[in-house]
Amino acid sequence: EIVLTQSPGTLSLSPGERATLSCRSSQSVSDNYLAWLQQRPGQAPRLLIFGASSRASGTPDRFSGSGSGTDFTLTISRLEPEDFAVYYCQQYGSSPWTFGQGTKVEIK
Amino acid sequence: QVQLQESGPGLVKPSETLSLTCTVSGGSINNFYWSWIRQPPGKGLDWIGYISDSGSTNYNPSLKSRVTISVDTSKNQFSLKLTSVTAADTAVYYCARENGVWSGDYTNYYYYGMDVWGQGTTVTVSS
Repeated sequence: EIVLTQSPGTLSLSPGERATLSCRSSQSVSDNYLAWLQQRPGQAPRLLIFGASSRASGTPDRFSGSGSGTDFTLTISRLEPEDFAVYYCQQYGSSPWTFGQGTKVEIK
Repeated sequence: QVQLQESGPGLVKPSETLSLTCTVSGGSINNFYWSWIRQPPGKGLDWIGYISDSGSTNYNPSLKSRVTISVDTSKNQFSLKLTSVTAADTAVYYCARENGVWSGDYTNYYYYGMDVWGQGTTVTVSS
C-alpha cells in the first residue's frame, strides 16, 4: 500500500499570501495518478487537481499542481477567504487508493 | 449536472450489517466507476472500494473480508454492505464518481479522479 505523507500539518497564512503544500509518496505514483482535494468544514471533499497537474472543472486558476514520481506540490497563488480549508492528496495509480493525512490551511 | 445522494440507516448495532445506497441523478451510471469512501469523526479519508457499471469490483484489503459493493443500473444506484460492524466503523460515508474515459476497445479505464461526491451520510455504530 502506498503511504502519502503531507506537510506541513497546518499552514497559517493571511489572505493574499501564497500557499505551498507538499505530498510525498512512499513509492512512485503510477502514471502520476495523484489528485488534490479540498474539504471545507461540514462539507464533502471537492476535487481540485487530477493527474498531478490538471485542474478539475471549476477549479480556479490560482490553484496549480506539480510534481511527479514521489514528490508532489499544490500551490495556491493568492489565498482567498474561501480557500481556508483542509487539503488532501490522493493517489489512484495503485490499489488500494490512499489519501494523505491532510494539511489544514488556517487564517493567521 | 450529475449529483449523488447517499441513503441508509444512521444507526447500526455492533455486529450487524451496515447498508447504504448511492443514487445517481442528472446522468447515467453507465461507463463510469463508482467509489465508497469514509471519514471517521475528526479524521482523514479512507477509500473503501469501487465498482464499475458492469459490476467489476476492487476493495481495500483492510475491509475486503467484510465489504460488498453492488450496482443496479436499472435504478441508477450502487450500494455498500459492511458486515460485522464495530464502533471503529462509525464515520461519514461518501459515494463518489471515478471520472475517466475508456480506451477504444473498452479494456482500460483512464482515471480523472473522484470528481463528483455525495454530501455524505453519518453512520454511528452503537447499541
